[in-house]
Amino acid sequence: QLVESGGGLVQPGGSLRLSCAASGFTFSSYWMQWVRQAPGKGLVWVSLINTDGSRTDYADSVKGRFTISRDNAKNTLYLQINTLRAEDTALYYCVRDRGWSTFDMWGQGTMVTVSS
Amino acid sequence: DIVMTQTPLSLSVTPGQPASISCKSSQSLLHSSGRTLLFWYLQKPGQSPQLLISEVSKRFSGVPDRFSGSGSGTDFTLRISRVEAEDVGVYYCMQTIKLPLTFAGGTKVEIK
Repeated sequence: QLVESGGGLVQPGGSLRLSCAASGFTFSSYWMQWVRQAPGKGLVWVSLINTDGSRTDYADSVKGRFTISRDNAKNTLYLQINTLRAEDTALYYCVRDRGWSTFDMWGQGTMVTVSS
Repeated sequence: DIVMTQTPLSLSVTPGQPASISCKSSQSLLHSSGRTLLFWYLQKPGQSPQLLISEVSKRFSGVPDRFSGSGSGTDFTLRISRVEAEDVGVYYCMQTIKLPLTFAGGTKVEIK
């Protein structure tokens, strides 16, 4: 399973680090991704990382502000989010990619609210 | 970016009746590998999304066979042969052939 944490209420310009603890599978064998969902809105892809962390990609809207990383020894995925904006307010899902960006496992999400 | 468009936006279905959702992409989703990278997800009320169908028509483990996917190139369809109460939620199609990965806006299915 995937369990996200680290969300919360933060002021514009602030930072957070989201974590996703994986269990029940060989974490180091899977690419992992983040998807977010603003309140009442649809799903939006955020970022991906390959198995050893050597390749990452980001949506243009977060490039330069978000950093995806992983610690395979700790079975944990991270998303460092900086310079937060109101439009970053969303539920952030950690997802497992079983290949070709097939999202076969989703966490329950962690909520990030950006507000003064 | 590849734009994904779903219709209808919402659907109200009598239990036992069929339902159909259309998904169109602004570019072909046929990869050079021969795979067509179109996926369907269902987000039930209050839950995280779940994978229904991968690569146009491959039902994910545990997905009832009343769900089927079809299509090619840029036009795709999700069909539910006989809608059940547990099928309510928002259905999303998604393309993974090109970054950024993009989802359609979703189709909300409710029971009459």
